[in-house]
Amino acid sequence: DIVLTQSPALAVSLGQRATISCRASQSVSTSSYNLMHWYQQKPGQQPKLLIYDASNLASSIPARFSGSGSGTDFTLTINPVQADDIATYYCQQSRELPNTFGAGTKLELK
Amino acid sequence: EVKLQQSGDELVRPGASVKMSCKASGYTFTDYAMHWVKQSPGQGLEWIGTIIPLIDTTSYNQKFKGKATLTADKSSNTAYMELSRLTSEDSAVYYCARTPLDYSSFFDYWGQGVMVTVSS
Repeated sequence: DIVLTQSPALAVSLGQRATISCRASQSVSTSSYNLMHWYQQKPGQQPKLLIYDASNLASSIPARFSGSGSGTDFTLTINPVQADDIATYYCQQSRELPNTFGAGTKLELK
Repeated sequence: EVKLQQSGDELVRPGASVKMSCKASGYTFTDYAMHWVKQSPGQGLEWIGTIIPLIDTTSYNQKFKGKATLTADKSSNTAYMELSRLTSEDSAVYYCARTPLDYSSFFDYWGQGVMVTVSS
């Protein structure tokens, strides 16, 4: 299985940039696509898709969210961070089955 | 509006089985795959498996083979997951989520989750 590694937590100030990383144990890119996706989850809620295929913004997601990366290293950026962004963020790969998720990065206020 | 409406929370005895549902609306049920994801208390997300209702084909995470059984009813646009021989390790929230039937399996809509508590 492909293992996705995320830092457990990140502390940021409101209005600043947050950079959340996800490293895969092997490449999750094909010649055409980077099969890494990002989700936001708030307590008591289901996950919400933010970014698909590494850099595509999902429908209705604010432009302050962006994604980048290829191969094994991927980044989710939130700029500027707003109070509503305090949540846990998960990466997920769909390069091969089983689909796997990172353990999540909890975004906290500094 | 796309919606995945899951059945209610369950309290079940160890050794028993539970079957939960996920009713889809707002889109053509057979144009997407349906997946199931487990989230144990305070933990991350685990992919259980998927069913493609169009061709009634399933694929499971090896870890959940023999534990989970996925089915779908095209006539009612509903997907089901049955969990068998329940233990305390199965206490978790279970989500259904859909993915497009193409190159990339990202979960664009999720159900609200079913909390399963296994206790005597």
